[in-house]
Amino acid sequence: DSGVTQTPKHLITATGQRVTLRCSPRSGDLSVYWYQQSLDQGLQFLIQYYNGEERAKGNILERFSAQQFPDLHSELNLSSLELGDSALYFCASSGTSGSYNEQFFGPGTRLTVL
Amino acid sequence: GENVEQHPSTLSVQEGDSAVIKCTYSDSASNYFPWYKQELGKGPQLIIDIRSNVGEKKDQRIAVTLNKTAKHFSLHITETQPEDSAVYFCAALEDSNYQLIWGAGTKLIIKP
Repeated sequence: DSGVTQTPKHLITATGQRVTLRCSPRSGDLSVYWYQQSLDQGLQFLIQYYNGEERAKGNILERFSAQQFPDLHSELNLSSLELGDSALYFCASSGTSGSYNEQFFGPGTRLTVL
Repeated sequence: GENVEQHPSTLSVQEGDSAVIKCTYSDSASNYFPWYKQELGKGPQLIIDIRSNVGEKKDQRIAVTLNKTAKHFSLHITETQPEDSAVYFCAALEDSNYQLIWGAGTKLIIKP
């Protein structure tokens, strides 16, 4: 158990809908990362937050947005969903300083868009 | 920016044999190279890492080697066991912004 929690575990929805994925980092971790992993694909980095501020952006679509709240949990919002958005979405958290620390991954949320 | 290539995409080895996965990177300023293991239905987990001031690091049956001149690093697993079956990702830390750049992953299959 990494200490990172994600909810829900599974999410089934229809095209055009909007969903919110939630992540709680390990206690004390200030950084949260979001990744997308499609079937048999690698990890696509979406976005990173550090202590409430956006730190880095990867291949995140304009239909997707994220935020990190004062209690450090984070939410990833996916809107106008398309079939191709079906994937595993992972959240990871890392340590307390601004430099690099090991990323600890949550168990993921499996999103199915029908 | 940094680019990481990982080979092979799938590797099948007999139980008890060794497995080697290779990655190359493009940015000579990168100085930290972790390897993550992703078991079925789980998130990736760090298994070993290496910094650019050393050429090799071992932890029981796994080892990582780094060749800075050639800009490549490799994961070596000896005496493979069924529980080694997983997807392995390499990564390189981009020096300019402390972001990990990930390889595409290698699916390791251990045949009984």
